[in-house]
Amino acid sequence: ETGVTQTPRHLVMGMTNKKSLKCEQHLGHNAMYWYKQSAKKPLELMFVYNFKEQTENNSVPSRFSPECPNSSHLFLHLHTLQPEDSALYLCASSQARLAGVYEQYFGPGTRLTVT
Amino acid sequence: AQTVTQSQPEMSVQEAETVTLSCTYDTSESDYYLFWYKQPPSRQMILVIRQEAYKQQNATENRFSVNFQKAAKSFSLKISDSQLGDAAMYFCAYYAGGTSYGKLTFGQGTILTVHP
Repeated sequence: ETGVTQTPRHLVMGMTNKKSLKCEQHLGHNAMYWYKQSAKKPLELMFVYNFKEQTENNSVPSRFSPECPNSSHLFLHLHTLQPEDSALYLCASSQARLAGVYEQYFGPGTRLTVT
Repeated sequence: AQTVTQSQPEMSVQEAETVTLSCTYDTSESDYYLFWYKQPPSRQMILVIRQEAYKQQNATENRFSVNFQKAAKSFSLKISDSQLGDAAMYFCAYYAGGTSYGKLTFGQGTILTVHP
């Protein structure tokens, strides 16, 4: 596997279900991100992890719970979601440096549908 | 707070022609980075080009180039000799640097259609 991978690629869940999205980066990066991409809206940053520590929670509802067990893996645990949470969820990673460009590398995304 | 605006929801271009996608941003920072990302239909988002604000020279990557106007806070992307594979959603993104921990602010995106 290369780059940033995400599983599953598609997920349909009911409002009472609990599911998890998984992201894995094979780039040796030390920062990982969750984004939400909805139709007609800009990408919304949800969470940022640097060296496994959460450094950003962009006012995300508690029904989304991130977990970063190590610098290569990132999870997004989902429970009691709402239909408006249906979106493409993107994971990204980057190499944090004291100086320089922090370009992010994205995974293919998980298309989530909440019914 | 920083904001990024892409005023063109959709653009189209004929194959082999040139197209320019617009992006403006608002910031009080003097040191920052700007990016253009490409998201083809049902495919991964990939970085197209980046520009450091402290550099006056416009970035170029093969057929892709930018027109960076720092005073005007404008960062447009020019695609020369457009190809069918250039069809995608294009996002402009801003990064403040420093302790922003890689936090990117994205524009709304521009859908580019390439006609054969």
